[in-house]
Amino acid sequence: DTAVSQTPKYLVTQMGNDKSIKCEQNLGHDTMYWYKQDSKKFLKIMFSYNNKELIINETVPNRFSPKSPDKAHLNLHINSLELGDSAVYFCASSQSANEQFFGPGTRLTVL
Amino acid sequence: DQQVKQNSPSLSVQEGRISILNCDYTNSMFDYFLWYKKYPAEGPTFLISISSIKDKNEDGRFTVFLNKSAKHLSLHIVPSQPGDSAVYFCAASADTGGFKTIFGAGTRLFVKA
Repeated sequence: DTAVSQTPKYLVTQMGNDKSIKCEQNLGHDTMYWYKQDSKKFLKIMFSYNNKELIINETVPNRFSPKSPDKAHLNLHINSLELGDSAVYFCASSQSANEQFFGPGTRLTVL
Repeated sequence: DQQVKQNSPSLSVQEGRISILNCDYTNSMFDYFLWYKKYPAEGPTFLISISSIKDKNEDGRFTVFLNKSAKHLSLHIVPSQPGDSAVYFCAASADTGGFKTIFGAGTRLFVKA
């Protein structure tokens, strides 16, 4: 009965590959997010979707493409992976501005 | 350009004493301020929040104070317990489309038994 789930938990891949991270929430929330936590531990928002519509798109390379097939899912596809993409990626969901529920994170390592 | 700053990377407190974690922000347009707690290998967990129109919110051992004139907020934990040892993130959000939330860098709290 996990509220926000992400798969995979760990992802190790070579530079230049394409990979996807999946996220699902069973909370009935309308808004979902992707965050990146870099090596300095900063949590930075990448994207926000509301009811399958892209609302926030921070300055993220266009190699990153979020896809929301329905409001319970927000997947992140990354093309042509680079070393600097290595980080922990968190999915989250919310129904308001004063609380977000986070997934457990996906640790991406690009070799 | 960090809009939310946590200037103390770590804090060590004795069990039973008060822990005070501080946070500063630069943008007056935020509607909510939040604290999240994070254990290793887990996602952040919401702890407590405060609306920008209030100056205090209390929930059990946790109290958040907001000083809008100083653009400063703090989280008080009393009494501190060893299980409180974690990284605490301060965050600020705007009640606009997408609920954009900006996080601070985090403060690692150690509560010694």
